[in-house]
Amino acid sequence: EVKLVESGGGLVQPGGSLRLSCAASGFTFSTYWMSWVRQAPGKGLEWVANINEDGSQKSYVGSVKGRFTISRDNTKNSLFLQLSSLRVEDTAVYYCSGQGHHRFDSWGQGTLVTVSS
Amino acid sequence: QSVLTQPPSVSGAPGQRVTISCTGRSSNIGAGFDIHWYQQLPGTAPKLLIFDNINRPSGVPDRFSGSKSGTSASLAISGLQAEDEAEYYCQSFDSSLGGYVFGTGTQVTVL
Repeated sequence: EVKLVESGGGLVQPGGSLRLSCAASGFTFSTYWMSWVRQAPGKGLEWVANINEDGSQKSYVGSVKGRFTISRDNTKNSLFLQLSSLRVEDTAVYYCSGQGHHRFDSWGQGTLVTVSS
Repeated sequence: QSVLTQPPSVSGAPGQRVTISCTGRSSNIGAGFDIHWYQQLPGTAPKLLIFDNINRPSGVPDRFSGSKSGTSASLAISGLQAEDEAEYYCQSFDSSLGGYVFGTGTQVTVL
């Protein structure tokens, strides 16, 4: 059974930093592209970033470029998202997702990031 | 501001058929990129419902079907059931943005 478990969310002040983690199990993690998708409270879904199988290719949505960094550790079946220079508008539930071809096949339960003073 | 537009809500009585439209543009659906659909039950993570325009993952009832034409796509739910009450999102790739885009979301209500 595919399982994705996010952690690391919490309350942070504007301008602060946070590192999200996603522990993967039940599939061969090192052979899948992975993504982060977020959902602001009461709003729709927004793709944030993705990374290829060996970590050599990364893409980001424009609003987070230069502030967020996606990475992975295939030896630990883990995905990460480093969030920096956080803004109030980054407040959202962040989901880890295992990608198929240009789609999101599996999802974690999400971790809430709240940016507020 | 999403580049894929969906109606905010649709509703139907149990057993009825409802459809949800997803309107895109020449840089996403019109460019030939596939459409995928997700179901998000209240308080839970999204779940892949339809992939590559028309295909259902294992375990998804055949009451759910997808189609695509031109710059639009549709999700149909036949034999509507109370458990189908959820938010539904379409998703594709946009070549102008260079990334993935989701629709605005549609709330399905079973009357």
